Amino acid sequence: NAGVMQNPRHLVRRRGQEARLRCSPMKGHSHVYWYRQLPEEGLKFMVYLQKENIIDESGMPKERFSAEFPKEGPSILRIQQVVRGDSAAYFCASSRGQAQNTEAFFGQGTRLTVV
Amino acid sequence: GNSVTQMEGPVTLSEEAFLTINCTYTATGYPSLFWYVQYPGEGLQLLLKATKADDKGSNKGFEATYRKETTSFHLEKGSVQVSDSAVYFCALLSGNTGKLIFGQGTTLQVKP
Repeated sequence: NAGVMQNPRHLVRRRGQEARLRCSPMKGHSHVYWYRQLPEEGLKFMVYLQKENIIDESGMPKERFSAEFPKEGPSILRIQQVVRGDSAAYFCASSRGQAQNTEAFFGQGTRLTVV
Repeated sequence: GNSVTQMEGPVTLSEEAFLTINCTYTATGYPSLFWYVQYPGEGLQLLLKATKADDKGSNKGFEATYRKETTSFHLEKGSVQVSDSAVYFCALLSGNTGKLIFGQGTTLQVKP
């Protein structure tokens, strides 16, 4: 049973470009969480999704960021018109149910560098 | 709001030394508490957890006890190894959607 798969592992974008980060949850998991880790900081919650639904997006910046988790395929975190301050590691976690009831498993992250 | 505070690092120890990494939290009620470990270039792995007051989580020689009186969840290990070198994150479960609130992380370096 493969773990949570994130790709790409490293992504370089120029300012103004779009970044798409993908997360394939573990088999049987229908709950996905995205977190952002800025340099020298802990992880900050961004968004919680179930299949085809955004449940909690309280940590998402109001502009340029969006997330989806379609019925088929991976969850996507999309950042439009990237700026230098978006450079960070983005981690996805998946769980079988809400993570308060079951363990959440983390992917290895996508390290985004904006140049 | 809910928050987690960890001792600042880096913490540098010699092999077989005793480890303590302090973690305190602010929360409504009694949330579940966690320690995660992040090895270089990797994602986070759950190290241990405790779901209610006075619970002790343990794994791989690491322990932490949920202390509601002091709102703390300090991580301890009696004898660290070089392979324990990593970043350690304390976290709590916030609200009813399962999102985690993390501390800023503490880097542990163990020298042979």
